[in-house]
Amino acid sequence: DAGVTQSPTHLIKTRGQQVTLRCSPKSGHDTVSWYQQALGQGPQFIFQYYEEEERQRGNFPDRFSGHQFPNYSSELNVNALLLGDSALYLCASSLSGEGRGYTFGSGTRLTVV
Amino acid sequence: AQKVTQAQTEISVVEKEDVTLDCVYETRDTTYYLFWYKQPPSGELVFLIRRNSFDEQNEISGRYSWNFQKSTSSFNFTITASQVVDSAVYFCALSVPYQTGANNLFFGTGTRLTVIP
Repeated sequence: DAGVTQSPTHLIKTRGQQVTLRCSPKSGHDTVSWYQQALGQGPQFIFQYYEEEERQRGNFPDRFSGHQFPNYSSELNVNALLLGDSALYLCASSLSGEGRGYTFGSGTRLTVV
Repeated sequence: AQKVTQAQTEISVVEKEDVTLDCVYETRDTTYYLFWYKQPPSGELVFLIRRNSFDEQNEISGRYSWNFQKSTSSFNFTITASQVVDSAVYFCALSVPYQTGANNLFFGTGTRLTVIP
């Protein structure tokens, strides 16, 4: 049973460009959350998607947007990249319900130059 | 607002020693969940334990044990007889349910554990 799959693994972008990261949730999971983890820090919540809608959003600017597809997979888009967007982006899937277990992917390492 | 504090940035122990990782949380919600995750160099967060706010029983799983004390808002993690494979960054996290149904995690800054052979 595959866990959470994220692509690509690594990515290098130039400041001002746009990027799309992808996530396939664990089989049976219907909720996808995205987190940003800067070097040496804990993951910070970006947003959560359920039933193809953004259900909750963290303290991130509108440059960060997302989408969830009918098969529960998800994309994270970041526009007008800044150097400070360089981080590990983690996707977590879960089954809807309070306090359920989250399964994390290995992340996408984004470097903005 | 929710907050998780892991005051220990880095800890080094010699193999077979016991080590305790501290976690202090803040929340005004009476219903919440506490987690511990392990992050090896590969980057993936590995789930270790989830505890809800109504269950203060301590838990033991092999060499791992957790001590949850609501009176001090702490959820500490102890590794007994540490091994080199325990070397990783460990995160404590808090989740509270929202009316929207969302339940995102609030993470501490992590504790890097190095076990020296």
